[in-house]
Amino acid sequence: GENVEQHPSTLSVQEGDSAVIKCTYSDSASNYFPWYKQELGKRPQLIIDIRSNVGEKKDQRIAVTLNKTAKHFSLHITETQPEDSAVYFCAANRDDKIIFGKGTRLHILP
Amino acid sequence: DVKVTQSSRYLVKRTGEKVFLECVQDMDHENMFWYRQDPGLGLRLIYFSYDVKMKEKGDIPEGYSVSREKKERFSLILESASTNQTSMYLCASTEISGVGSYNEQFFGPGTRLTVL
Repeated sequence: GENVEQHPSTLSVQEGDSAVIKCTYSDSASNYFPWYKQELGKRPQLIIDIRSNVGEKKDQRIAVTLNKTAKHFSLHITETQPEDSAVYFCAANRDDKIIFGKGTRLHILP
Repeated sequence: DVKVTQSSRYLVKRTGEKVFLECVQDMDHENMFWYRQDPGLGLRLIYFSYDVKMKEKGDIPEGYSVSREKKERFSLILESASTNQTSMYLCASTEISGVGSYNEQFFGPGTRLTVL
């Protein structure tokens, strides 16, 4: 079955700098890769997703890249702000299910 | 605006008790999911349902069962609660827009279950 590995587990960046979170997946049939953000005490919410027919997608300060050959995808956050502090989860589809990585806790330092 | 609600935010039960966690969504979504969230382990799929009375095991189904009698409601059942089932439980739903077409999962607020 699909395994999704996520790194790092914790990331601290200075406010205004960029943050990068990386994920790898095992099932070559996977074709949908969402990213969820979970703020403290709140439910996870989708922030961006990418499908296998594109290599990159951008939404304001957030971008995701996908390398299907290497089976890895990454989340890039530029010009980080305090409200970016949260846990971020990558995921990939497996059959009718979505399998999540273990999460990255992102700290934005003042 | 999609709403996914869960019956309790916090629940305390004793070992051996039967526990019901209820989830309701109001957007006529076909697929519903139950996850548990533990520190350092992320979101792990317990069960999911793709239609009324249909269910499929996720990655950690042991000790759990589910029920989906109506499209909008998906229940997670702990037949005999144990201390290792102390966790945050999250329900989610998603719309299906075609074979192999995936869409955003909408999560409920979560139920923090403590088993003493």
